[in-house]
Amino acid sequence: GESVGLHLPTLSVQEGDNSIINCAYSNSASDYFIWYKQESGKGPQFIIDIRSNMDKRQGQRVTVLLNKTVKHLSLQIAATQPGDSAVYFCAEIRNNNDMRFGAGTRLTVKP
Amino acid sequence: GAVVSQHPSWVICKSGTSVKIECRSLDFQATTMFWYRQFPKQSLMLMATSNEGSKATYEQGVEKDKFLINHASLTLSTLTVTSAHPEDSSFYICSADSGGTDTQYFGPGTRLTVL
Repeated sequence: GESVGLHLPTLSVQEGDNSIINCAYSNSASDYFIWYKQESGKGPQFIIDIRSNMDKRQGQRVTVLLNKTVKHLSLQIAATQPGDSAVYFCAEIRNNNDMRFGAGTRLTVKP
Repeated sequence: GAVVSQHPSWVICKSGTSVKIECRSLDFQATTMFWYRQFPKQSLMLMATSNEGSKATYEQGVEKDKFLINHASLTLSTLTVTSAHPEDSSFYICSADSGGTDTQYFGPGTRLTVL
């Protein structure tokens, strides 16, 4: 279901440290997952995606891990920078192209 | 490529008036567009799925007569908030599916404030 009414969990890290943002999804039939970054007052931006036949995918400074057994997704950001401060959402895409977002996590990077 | 625009970026209106928000895919054709609503510090909630040339599919709890969606062409979908009330104040975001991939491209959002 939708995470309506919940305040965003927050994660505060020091600049240069690695960040790990977690997400639990609900539908075991979902076969495609995306991480989005949303800066204040803007629409979500695509970061990285992963299909259900993979358990890990790496991008530039980001890695997504998928654990289908426990329906868990994580986003790892290496050497976190102040520009990484934003809200991060995971999204699961079901087989009818229906996309559902997780609750989101607010990442704050301290200089 | 794959740019989606929204207009207006923000709007303030009086209670009881109607507001139209446009969502355009600028460099691709979007057979499907999606409308989301986002309250402060909360996740995006899917309101409806809009297919070009057909009626939109609304999510449970979303009033189709209040949130009118028209997807008249492959590059334009509009959301009209009718008889707006202060509780309709929110951030409305559209996304477009270019087809052939599962990736949706998001617009920058429209902030609606109803006084």
